[in-house]
Amino acid sequence: AQSVTQPDIHITVSEGASLELRCNYSYGATPYLFWYVQSPGQGLQLLLKYFSGDTLVQGIKGFEAEFKRSQSSFNLRKPSVHWSDAAEYFCAVAPGGNEKLTFGTGTRLTIIP
Amino acid sequence: GAGVSQSPRYKVAKRGQDVALRCDPISGHVSLFWYQQALGQGPEFLTYFQNEAQLDKSGLPSDRFFAERPEGSVSTLKIQRTQQEDSAVYLCASSPIDRGDTQYFGPGTRLTVL
Repeated sequence: AQSVTQPDIHITVSEGASLELRCNYSYGATPYLFWYVQSPGQGLQLLLKYFSGDTLVQGIKGFEAEFKRSQSSFNLRKPSVHWSDAAEYFCAVAPGGNEKLTFGTGTRLTIIP
Repeated sequence: GAGVSQSPRYKVAKRGQDVALRCDPISGHVSLFWYQQALGQGPEFLTYFQNEAQLDKSGLPSDRFFAERPEGSVSTLKIQRTQQEDSAVYLCASSPIDRGDTQYFGPGTRLTVL
């Protein structure tokens, strides 16, 4: 069965600093990979996704993620965070497109001035 | 355009009551998913519809949970004889095609069972 690990429960960064959120997955083949963001009281919004091709994918709001097959990782990065980036971030995998997602437990991001 | 909508946004139920949660997917979306998100956790899959057909209900935690999508559009998740452990946010998501596309999530229904 597939699984997702987000080792960091909570991360605090200063506004303007760079950010990296970690995600490791367990799956027999290369899964479909996603990063979602959830703000308080809001639904999940897709930041970016990886199906195949270029292993560095660009998403919305200035986020990017890199798929590393050898490390079974799909880490999310942003060069300079804004106060509005404070939210909960979820990594998710699926065996194929438009199939049920398996989520990690999430990383809560706090931004300090 | 309109996104996925869910109602009610908040529901408080006494233990033992039945509840019904509604999901209105994006118009024309073929696929519909239900997830359960407990406090401090990531969402967990409950069930999946393709049009009106329920193709996967492997995530439903007990036979008290039932979902339907009779006309291939609106879906209802019903929980009978609610228990305290059912307290969670229930998320609905829809997708426009059978494979290879993105799930669009609604804002969720927060269920609290007293």
